[in-house]
Amino acid sequence: QVHLQESGPGLVKTSETLSLTCTVSGGSISSYYWNWIRQVPGKGLEWLGYVYYTGSTVYSPSLQSRVTMSVDSSKNQVFLKMDSVTAADAAVYYCARVPPYERFGELSGMFDLWGQGTLVTVSS
Amino acid sequence: DIVMTQSPDSLAVSLGERATINCKTSQSILYGSNNKKYLAWYQQKPGQSPRLLIYWASTRESGVPDRFSGSGSGTDFTLTISSLQAEDVAVYYCQQYYSTPYTFGQGTKLEIK
Repeated sequence: QVHLQESGPGLVKTSETLSLTCTVSGGSISSYYWNWIRQVPGKGLEWLGYVYYTGSTVYSPSLQSRVTMSVDSSKNQVFLKMDSVTAADAAVYYCARVPPYERFGELSGMFDLWGQGTLVTVSS
Repeated sequence: DIVMTQSPDSLAVSLGERATINCKTSQSILYGSNNKKYLAWYQQKPGQSPRLLIYWASTRESGVPDRFSGSGSGTDFTLTISSLQAEDVAVYYCQQYYSTPYTFGQGTKLEIK
């Protein structure tokens, strides 16, 4: 059974860089699209972008200038970096998986597996 | 960006009764060449991460009870729970994956009346 686990500092200072890791266990990261999604507690969901297992990326335009996503296939890990954080970036950050191209013959975009999420607080 | 608008924001339904949640998209998410509707529904219980229920607007994910069903046209979609169970108390979200940035509805909180 595949399991996703987010990890990283729970507290980041304003203007600094947020760095999170999603570790995939019980399966390979190959062939999948790995997404980062965040949720301000009690609020809705915001898609940040995805990284394909090959390393290619698509980011949300609203965050494109501050976000970098990458993968390390040897460690089965996916990474998120977000620069110049502000209080507005405080949220629960989830990694989530999109099925491989081969399942539907196209990049689909539904998130079929989610991690438990990690809460990030931003302080000055 | 495609804007997703759910209604109602909250809903209280008696056990065993039908619950209906609506989702409207700001543009069609029906891809003409394959006739697929690029819409998913998720369930998020308190303290948990979201769970995929429905994709392609009407296909149930493996393991999802058949009391959950999805329907809809190019811009108007519905999630129906045919007979509400206590474990269905949650917030439900729709999501479009027709184009990036992928976007979600604001959520509908479902409670027991």
